[in-house]
This record gives sequence, structure tokens and C-alpha cells, in this order.
Amino acid sequence: KNEVEQSPQNLTAQEGEFITINCSYSVGISALHWLQQHPGGGIVSLFMLSSGKKKHGRLIATINIQEKHSSLHITASHPRDSAVYICAVRTRASGGSNYKLTFGKGTLLTVNP
Amino acid sequence: DTAVSQTPKYLVTQMGNDKSIKCEQNLGHDTMYWYKQDSKKFLKIMFSYNNKELIINETVPNRFSPKSPDKAHLNLHINSLELGDSAVYFCASSQDFGRGRWVETQYFGPGTRLLVL
Repeated sequence: KNEVEQSPQNLTAQEGEFITINCSYSVGISALHWLQQHPGGGIVSLFMLSSGKKKHGRLIATINIQEKHSSLHITASHPRDSAVYICAVRTRASGGSNYKLTFGKGTLLTVNP
Repeated sequence: DTAVSQTPKYLVTQMGNDKSIKCEQNLGHDTMYWYKQDSKKFLKIMFSYNNKELIINETVPNRFSPKSPDKAHLNLHINSLELGDSAVYFCASSQDFGRGRWVETQYFGPGTRLLVL
């Protein structure tokens, strides 16, 4: 079982719909990242969260540390939002001060016009 | 004015060859990373360097060796390429890495698609 689980795996929406993508993790973390990968393969870092909520344009990311859960919301979705959204958690690696990042499989979002 | 650049963008090579992928960032960041994305779209961190010092070294074969000549560059050299090395390799950078300060965001390069025949 992966330490980071995302749901849903695939999501199809109509333009204008409110989108929610979920990320659950099973370990204690120091930070959580949301990344976006476009069809051409490029990856963009959207948010880094350690608590609470962050907003950037139509994107909102929330995290509940106690429940080990984060959500990424997209308001007024648009076809250009079509991409893979990836959740990644940062945890302390074994052996001291090193950290590691563990990634979910991603959620493929398709927004139809 | 590309923030994080990788070369080459595509690399097709034969099994057994040795190849290098280069990464450069012009953001003045202290930390750089190499990730591998396999055919199932899993992203896995391979290495991370902070100010030319190796700080993450996940379980990867010894055939993979990162080289950081200065903090703006992190190159990935792969010896004796195998079929299973075929993947997309991403380089990324961030301002800092832990040590009491949060990393705000990581900036990714465009990726290098490696195909081993």
C-alpha cells in the first residue's frame, strides 16, 4: 500500500464545475505538495502546505494534519485545467536529518467544454 | 529565461551505453533534485543536493551517479544503461531544504525522456 493515496484516480467534469481532488497519507509529515503535470509532461509545483489553507487564483488547497488528509479544489473549472494532479508528502528519512518525498499516483482531470 | 533547464529533452540509446543528463537552474536556489517518473506515472525522488552536498540518496542502483559541479548544476550520469531505466527524468530546484526552514516550492525542469533499446 502506497503511503500516499489520491482519489479519484480519474475525474471528468464539465466546464464551470467545482472540482475536488483528495489526498490521504499514512505517515507523519513535515509538508505536503500539490503538483500539476500537463499533457506535454511538464510539471509545475502548485502549493506547499504545512497547515491550514492556501489559495492561488481559482485553486485552493487545504490540509488537516490530524486527519492526515489534504484536498485540492478548483473553482469554475476550465478545459485548460485538464492535467494530472499529484500529491507529495515530505517526511523525515531514516538515519538523521535527511528528508524524502513520497508521491501519489496522481489524478487525471479532464474538463470538457 | 528558463528557470530550470534540462538537456537533452529526448535521449534514445542502446543497452549498455553510458549517458549523462544535465540540469541547470538560474534561480539562485540552494537545493536541486533528480526524480524518475516511470511508465505508471509514479514520481520517485532519486537524489537531492544542497549547496553541492548530497542530502537525499534514495535506493537507486550504483549505476546512477549525480554530479554537482556548483550549486546551479546537478548532472545525472548513468552507466551501463538497462531497459528498465527507460523513463522520464525530472530535475527540480528549491530555495532551501528543511534544516528548520520550510521549502516553499520546487521548480521543475521540462523532463528528459530516456528510451533504452
